[in-house]
Amino acid sequence: EDQVTQSPEALRLQEGESSSLNCSYTVSGLRGLFWYRQDPGKGPEFLFTLYSAGEEKEKERLKATLTKKESFLHITAPKPEDSATYLCAVSTSGTYKYIFGTGTRLKVLA
Amino acid sequence: NAGVTQTPKFQVLKTGQSMTLQCAQDMNHEYMSWYRQDPGMGLRLIHYSVGAGITDQGEVPNGYNVSRSTTEDFPLRLLSAAPSQTSVYFCASSYSLMAGEYGYTFGSGTRLTVV
Repeated sequence: EDQVTQSPEALRLQEGESSSLNCSYTVSGLRGLFWYRQDPGKGPEFLFTLYSAGEEKEKERLKATLTKKESFLHITAPKPEDSATYLCAVSTSGTYKYIFGTGTRLKVLA
Repeated sequence: NAGVTQTPKFQVLKTGQSMTLQCAQDMNHEYMSWYRQDPGMGLRLIHYSVGAGITDQGEVPNGYNVSRSTTEDFPLRLLSAAPSQTSVYFCASSYSLMAGEYGYTFGSGTRLTVV
């Protein structure tokens, strides 16, 4: 069964304290892996798409990487405004399915 | 501003009532979908559409109906509300089914409570 698991469920960081969020996946065929940011009371906001192992993408303090079994979202020197829930999703080959993980709630303290 | 607009933002229904959640996008996206988000669970696909006149079921379609008469609008109808349908509902759109390089654009959600 296709599955996406995110860890940790919640993470508290001090401002400037770098860390990584994990998204592990088990799918029959990966078409793409997506990262989204969701602020309280809002819809998810698209961040990155990764297609193949070894691929990396960056945006400001965020860097997403992909291996054959997992993806990491690295946050370098985070700021309080980076506090949000980060969602991972995968799309699988040959279907419409877009499977979301349950997210990591990140809190960055000033 | 271009994007996905959902109405209403909040709604309380009594068990057995029906209602329609509205979703409109102004980006000329062909693909539109409805998700529900519940605590401890990932977003789950209810119904989706790949273009005007074409809809299909997602992972959790029971109790919901959709139609797509225009490219812009994709309403979600709850036929007879049940407490299990208490959730936050998101509408999303994209230029294609697989989203690709630009991902999905989500609306701000409708928080529905069924009592």
